[in-house]
Amino acid sequence: GNSVTQMEGPVTLSEEAFLTINCTYTATGYPSLFWYVQYPGEGLQLLLKATKADDKGSNKGFEATYRKETTSFHLEKGSVQVSDSAVYFCALSDAQGAQKLVFGQGTRLTINP
Amino acid sequence: DTGVSQDPRHKITKRGQNVTFRCDPISEHNRLYWYRQTLGQGPEFLTYFQNEAQLEKSRLLSDRFSAERPKGSFSTLEIQRTEQGDSAMYLCASTGRLAGSPPTYEQYFGPGTRLTVT
Repeated sequence: GNSVTQMEGPVTLSEEAFLTINCTYTATGYPSLFWYVQYPGEGLQLLLKATKADDKGSNKGFEATYRKETTSFHLEKGSVQVSDSAVYFCALSDAQGAQKLVFGQGTRLTINP
Repeated sequence: DTGVSQDPRHKITKRGQNVTFRCDPISEHNRLYWYRQTLGQGPEFLTYFQNEAQLEKSRLLSDRFSAERPKGSFSTLEIQRTEQGDSAMYLCASTGRLAGSPPTYEQYFGPGTRLTVT
């Protein structure tokens, strides 16, 4: 079945550092790929998405590129801020049918000033 | 507020009791999903509805769990004879269709109901 593997956390960085959170997936067909973010005390929010190979999703300075050859969708940001502290989830959904989301285990990110 | 809402936000119950949660999706969304999230893990799919029809259920959804969406609007998730292993955050999401081929359904999540079974 479909699965998502994320880089284990927690990850702690200083403000303005470069961020990479690794995500790889296993899926049949051509899934859509997502990054969701969960800020403390809040619900899951979609951060960015990509629906086909070589697509780049971007939002709020975060980027991720759908790499079919390496089955990866790594999240990057050039200069993190304290407000980026949250739990980040990589997820995929089938292009057809239920399009239910399959999530990775999440990576807790803490940014220190 | 036109987002997905869930009620209650927190529920503490004793083992063996029944509980019911409610989800109100974004009004124009016809797909509604339930997920369960345990501590330190990502959400796991439980079931989904298209309008009032329940089209898929995960094997995680034992016979103690039942979900309904009687008029294709709000949904309820009931857990009978709760067990300590049911303690989790129960998340609801609804989708609005995006353009594209194939169309991608972007899921909007509610704040969740945190269940604690003592």
